[in-house]
Amino acid sequence: AQTVTQSQPEMSVQEAETVTLSCTYDTSESDYYLFWYKQPPSRQMILVIRQEAYKQQNATENRFSVNFQKAAKSFSLKISDSQLGDAAMYFCAYRSAQKSNSGYALNFGKGTSLLVTP
Amino acid sequence: DSGVTQTPKHLITATGQRVTLRCSPRSGDLSVYWYQQSLDQGLQFLIQYYNGEERAKGNILERFSAQQFPDLHSELNLSSLELGDSALYFCASRLGTGGNTGELFFGEGSRLTVL
Repeated sequence: AQTVTQSQPEMSVQEAETVTLSCTYDTSESDYYLFWYKQPPSRQMILVIRQEAYKQQNATENRFSVNFQKAAKSFSLKISDSQLGDAAMYFCAYRSAQKSNSGYALNFGKGTSLLVTP
Repeated sequence: DSGVTQTPKHLITATGQRVTLRCSPRSGDLSVYWYQQSLDQGLQFLIQYYNGEERAKGNILERFSAQQFPDLHSELNLSSLELGDSALYFCASRLGTGGNTGELFFGEGSRLTVL
């Protein structure tokens, strides 16, 4: 199974500043999807942004953008103008474009806890 | 609100017992996924159902089973519970089962505590 690694267990950012969360993955596939999910204290998993591997352009959703480096198998999330409401656990996830034993289930990293300070 | 409903939100039980977690997917979604989130293992995929049929299996223990009913709601049955089964169990749904058939939407999870 593909491995997703988030090397930063915790990160801290000041309000209005920018922070980048790291994610690397291991795969031999050429076609796949990558995601960032946010899990606030309410614990519900919320999709933040997604990237198709065949697209060279980095995905952007308002203050959230990614830096997708396919050759390096890296998929970092940049949060600009951080807000108190951004404080949460952030999970990077991988989904194959081809069916495997686990179907098309998401493979998650262990997560990065983001603290936003006033 | 994702549209995915899970009950109960919290459950406390004893070792050796059996519990059932319920999930109602978003309206129109045919695929249901179950995940277990624990501190040491992170988010682990358990099992997927599509339109009533099992489609994929992940790291699901033999003591666990699931099913999806004709009205598309799903239940995850956990039996002979052990302390290590204490975790947050998520249900997620999406429209289809293929590689690019809709995003995965998660419920709020069911927090299981085994004492």
